[in-house]
Amino acid sequence: GAVVSQHPSRVICKSGTSVKIECRSLDFQATTMFWYRQFPKQSLMLMATSNEGSKATYEQGVEKDKFLINHASLTLSTLTVTSAHPEDSSFYICSARDKAATGELFFGEGSRLTVL
Amino acid sequence: GDSVTQMEGPVTLSEEAFLTINCTYTATGYPSLFWYVQYPGEGLQLLLKATKADDKGSNKGFEATYRKETTSFHLEKGSVQVSDSAVYFCALSPSGNTPLVFGKGTRLSVIA
Repeated sequence: GAVVSQHPSRVICKSGTSVKIECRSLDFQATTMFWYRQFPKQSLMLMATSNEGSKATYEQGVEKDKFLINHASLTLSTLTVTSAHPEDSSFYICSARDKAATGELFFGEGSRLTVL
Repeated sequence: GDSVTQMEGPVTLSEEAFLTINCTYTATGYPSLFWYVQYPGEGLQLLLKATKADDKGSNKGFEATYRKETTSFHLEKGSVQVSDSAVYFCALSPSGNTPLVFGKGTRLSVIA
């Protein structure tokens, strides 16, 4: 099946710094990518929908200035957590839909962010 | 709006026991239905899917049938193994390019 790769898989940073997480579709083109956040022992919360070449659409309650999303190409979307704080510590997962398919999403391995 | 409700866990079973995780949905139109599995410390993997009523998705011994009349997509496995211990998410895709709507997840622990 299609492969979505996230990097880094784990990152630890100091409070106040910014962290960038990359999401790449390795063998398909993704016009749309989705970013989710998962709290411990909870379900996935959709943060934003990222469309190639346009601004991301953020879900209610998600700060767009804090979670910067860029989808510069058909195979890459990035999530930057700016001025990170301990409450931003979480598991962030991206997913991508194959441009040629409908319905099925392919998920990255996730990135665990720990802010000290 | 569209939503997915799945049974709350955790579910603890002995090896070789029968597994059922209930999932019901609310949606307009005819969504596609999915089960994803998340092993400890990992991302989500598609387990199986069904795109229309009466379709049965199956993979790795797991099965789920798309029941439009009961708006359900229950996950079953006849004989679970310790390696099946994970969190299972039921999800639906309303249509087109919309994001998936997930249930809250059910944690399964299988003990030897």
